[in-house]
Amino acid sequence: KQEVTQIPAALSVPEGENLVLNCSFTDSAIYNLQWFRQDPGKGLTSLLLIQSSQREQTSGRLNASLDKSSGRSTLYIAASQPGDSATYLCAVRRDSNYQLIWGAGTKLIIKP
Amino acid sequence: GAGVSQSPSNKVTEKGKDVELRCDPISGHTALYWYRQRLGQGLEFLIYFQGNSAPDKSGLPSDRFSAERTGESVSTLTIQRTQQEDSAVYLCASSFTDAGTLYFGPGTRLLVL
Repeated sequence: KQEVTQIPAALSVPEGENLVLNCSFTDSAIYNLQWFRQDPGKGLTSLLLIQSSQREQTSGRLNASLDKSSGRSTLYIAASQPGDSATYLCAVRRDSNYQLIWGAGTKLIIKP
Repeated sequence: GAGVSQSPSNKVTEKGKDVELRCDPISGHTALYWYRQRLGQGLEFLIYFQGNSAPDKSGLPSDRFSAERTGESVSTLTIQRTQQEDSAVYLCASSFTDAGTLYFGPGTRLLVL
């Protein structure tokens, strides 16, 4: 059974720092992995989707990597800003169907 | 075009009443999901629609919950005889394909008194 873990549950860093959020999964046979952010009281916003054949995806200051053999994905945020404060979730697809397995999220606070 | 929209944005109801929540997916998106998120909790899968195929209702918590979708358009989630434990944010999401990027609506915040 696929399980997705995000550690730490919460993280607080000063503005301007580069940081890494972690997502671990127990079954390496995944189809793709998606990173989202959720702002308080709002829905989820898709950040990056990495297919199983890819090693990384980049969007602006965000870079997501995928290492299936170790069951790990990281979300790298460069030059963090207070506006990056949110909860970040990762979700894994086992195969090319709709089932997503979700992590519990990392709550990120960027201090001005 | 526009993103996923949901209505109402907030709903307060009395225990025992029925509520209906609406989701308008992105045009052309064949896949539609409903999730529930209780305060401080993770996402809980409720139901999935794909085109005209039979929906996956495996996440519906009880027979008080039902959902409909006509073709690839609007979906409604109905909760009958609401209970206080139904209080949560109900999120709808759509995607162009089964395994594509998921786009979420802003959610409906349901409070059952």
